[in-house]
Amino acid sequence: EIVMTQSPATLSMSPGERATLSCRASQSVSSNLAWYQQKPGQAPGLLIYGASTRATGIPARFSGSGSGTEFTLTISSLQSEDFAVYYCQQYNNWPPGTFGQGTKVEIK
Amino acid sequence: QVQVQESGPGLVKPSETLSLTCTVSGYSISSGYYWGWIRQPPGYGLEWLGSIYYSGNTYYNPSLKSRVTLSVDTSKNQFSLKLSSVTAADTAVYYCAREAYSSGGYYMDVWGKGTTVTVSS
Repeated sequence: EIVMTQSPATLSMSPGERATLSCRASQSVSSNLAWYQQKPGQAPGLLIYGASTRATGIPARFSGSGSGTEFTLTISSLQSEDFAVYYCQQYNNWPPGTFGQGTKVEIK
Repeated sequence: QVQVQESGPGLVKPSETLSLTCTVSGYSISSGYYWGWIRQPPGYGLEWLGSIYYSGNTYYNPSLKSRVTLSVDTSKNQFSLKLSSVTAADTAVYYCAREAYSSGGYYMDVWGKGTTVTVSS
């Protein structure tokens, strides 16, 4: 089973700042990686798939990059609604699709 | 607009079987896609449990395979989860989701709001 490791666990940021979240796979997952956003008390929602393709309706301030074992989610200018927990998920070696433990983006 | 909604008991006794149903609206299950279940224990991350196709083909997480059973009812546009021999460790929010295919695997593009299941006597 592929292990996904996200860093940092918590990111303390101010609105308007640029946020960079990392996700590392224990072995190559090619570009078969998705990012999800989960706000408190809500279900996760798809942000990015294929490592860099934004899902329908996702603002352009969200961007994904990387391939192989190293991936990055960048939020170019944090808005109030972006403070949430973000999860990466690999689906290259499926089943199972494995998730990272999450990165919480909190208001500084 | 595709929507999925979980339903089922919120409390299950230890050693019993947890049963949940997911109702799909805005899309016919028989038209394609895999349909899956994911859970999230309180304060923890996400764990994929398994997926089912309208034909009945299933994939399960190996860590839970012996306890998980998925089924589908195309006439009701629903799919279901059964998890046997539950313990307190199975207490979680359970989500159903639509799974989209890409390059050999699946990611979740539509999620339900989730339902909380507590295992307690």
